[in-house]
Amino acid sequence: QVHLVESGGGVVQPGRSLRLSCAASGFTFNAYGMHWVRQAPGKGLEWVAVISNDGSNKYYTDSVKGRFTISRDNSKNTLFLQMNSLRAEDMAVYFCAKDNKGASWNFDYWGQGTLVTVSS
Amino acid sequence: DIQMTQSPSSLSASVGDRVTITCRASQSISNSLNWYQRKPGKAPNLLIYAASSLQSGVPSRFTGSGSGTDFTLTISSLQPEDFATYYCQQSYSTPLSFGVGTKVEI
Repeated sequence: QVHLVESGGGVVQPGRSLRLSCAASGFTFNAYGMHWVRQAPGKGLEWVAVISNDGSNKYYTDSVKGRFTISRDNSKNTLFLQMNSLRAEDMAVYFCAKDNKGASWNFDYWGQGTLVTVSS
Repeated sequence: DIQMTQSPSSLSASVGDRVTITCRASQSISNSLNWYQRKPGKAPNLLIYAASSLQSGVPSRFTGSGSGTDFTLTISSLQPEDFATYYCQQSYSTPLSFGVGTKVEI
């Protein structure tokens, strides 16, 4: 059974950093691309970033380029999102999501999310 | 970037109704369109991928159709557990993008 468990969210001041983690189990982690998707309060879903199964390819939404870094540790079945220079508009629930068919760029399993609050 | 326009933003329906939700892409995305169901407090659930392929475990009353720029999600006979918000998502190119969602209410 696939499980994705995010952690690392919390309250942070604008301009500071936070690192999210997503612990994966129940599937062959190194065979699938992984994504981060977020949902700001009262808003819809927004894709943030994707990393290929071996970590060699990474793509980001424009608003986080240069500030966020997606990475993975396949030896520990863990996905990460390093978030620097946080802004008020980054406040959201962040979900990690597993790619459906390896690299199909749709998401068949999601975690429950971790809340990031950016406030002074 | 590809913009996804979803309509309606909300609809009222009854159990047993046939419900149709549409999604339009700002450019052709072939069949790279996916549909999700989201219930309050729960993670999204993939219903349909590649425009018309039913995800494993999803009831057959959910069907997807379309290609190019225009897509449709149809629920053939609405069940009580189907009251939720539905999102389309394009997987044609990055940045991947979602529609704004359609809330299906009683």
